[in-house]
Amino acid sequence: DVKVTQSSRYLVKRTGEKVFLECVQDMDHENMFWYRQDPGLGLRLIYFSYDVKMKEKGDIPEGYSVSREKKERFSLILESASTNQTSMYLCASRLGGVVTEAFFGQGTRLTVV
Amino acid sequence: KQEVTQIPAALSVPEGENLVLNCSFTDSAIYNLQWFRQDPGKGLTSLLLIQSSQREQTSGRLNASLDKSSGRSTLYIAASQPGDSATYLCAVIPYSGGGADGLTFGKGTHLIIQP
Repeated sequence: DVKVTQSSRYLVKRTGEKVFLECVQDMDHENMFWYRQDPGLGLRLIYFSYDVKMKEKGDIPEGYSVSREKKERFSLILESASTNQTSMYLCASRLGGVVTEAFFGQGTRLTVV
Repeated sequence: KQEVTQIPAALSVPEGENLVLNCSFTDSAIYNLQWFRQDPGKGLTSLLLIQSSQREQTSGRLNASLDKSSGRSTLYIAASQPGDSATYLCAVIPYSGGGADGLTFGKGTHLIIQP
């Protein structure tokens, strides 16, 4: 079975803290993605990576950075957490190529207080 | 920019009914379309992937169709059950980016199956 694992289901952080969200996939997928999901706004792409050490901005990269040092791991970093970053964060991965299925992790509900 | 719309936003039907969820997209230049379900507070579970060259895909009681030229897809659920209650999302992979780009999602249809 394919597996995308996010390190935490729930997180509560204080404003100004540096926050790391980790995602690991065991399918040897080239492409990995971070989305956030908010009521009424749907899923929005923050960053994606198509190879180790490669990253591309998505639609809403402001306030975030990412790291991909190994193929199986893609980290989302909130440099200085703010209350407007309270959200559900979802990680996904896909095999390289254009006709491949995307798989998602279980999500991390982040609350910034 | 690609936009994906799902209608209706919410749907409530009695158990046992067959139902159709709709998805439309503005740019027909897509590689594939994928349907997901999401249970409350959880991640997304892949249901069906339709390649742009295909017309439909089936998995159990689910059947998804794709009409790329008109920018439409439907998800047909046969003999609905209370366990089908969830939010259903469709997403497309656009031509731009060579497929490495992320999916573009609709906002979903919240489905409730009444026992």
